[in-house]
Amino acid sequence: NAGVTQTPKFRILKIGQSMTLQCTQDMNHNYMYWYRQDPGMGLKLIYYSVGAGITDKGEVPNGYNVSRSTTEDFPLRLELAAPSQTSVYFCASSSRAGPTYEQYFGPGTRLTVT
Amino acid sequence: KQEVTQIPAALSVPEGENLVLNCSFTDSAIYNLQWFRQDPGKGLTSLLLIQSSQREQTSGRLNASLDKSSGRSTLYIAASQPGDSATYLCAVPGGAAGNKLTFGGGTRVLVKP
Repeated sequence: NAGVTQTPKFRILKIGQSMTLQCTQDMNHNYMYWYRQDPGMGLKLIYYSVGAGITDKGEVPNGYNVSRSTTEDFPLRLELAAPSQTSVYFCASSSRAGPTYEQYFGPGTRLTVT
Repeated sequence: KQEVTQIPAALSVPEGENLVLNCSFTDSAIYNLQWFRQDPGKGLTSLLLIQSSQREQTSGRLNASLDKSSGRSTLYIAASQPGDSATYLCAVPGGAAGNKLTFGGGTRVLVKP
């Protein structure tokens, strides 16, 4: 199993540009999450999904959109990039409902908006 | 709203010394607490998940304790090595669905040879 994979690893965007961060997991997990990590800080939840076709907002959803058409994929869309979105983005997944189950993280996408 | 704090933000120790990393949380009604390791420019590696019913969880040189009543967890790393240099994050799940994690800010550890 590859686990959770993310592409690209790095990206530089100009203000106002758009892009999609890709996330795929091969563990057949229902639950998937997008977090962002600003320098020297912990991670904050952007969006999450409890299954295909179901998504919900996390703590910091403004400026982002998600979709979940399959169990495996959970892309994160930035429509109008802003410098405040410069961050490292992590995708994660977990297998079951309920908080006793471990989350598995991808390697991250480092995004710079200038 | 759950808040998770890790103090100190950075720690430097000589090789061989035991490491003690602290994590505190404001809402003691947690289901578990997870400790992660993050190397510079890398993703998160799960180290230990300690369930709310447990007081300790051990894996090799790592030992995590949990005291729900006081809102604290401690990660002990015995006989530290330069390879233990990394940032250590703790996180607790919250919310009615989806196991969303709330993270502390992390403790950046440097083990000097």
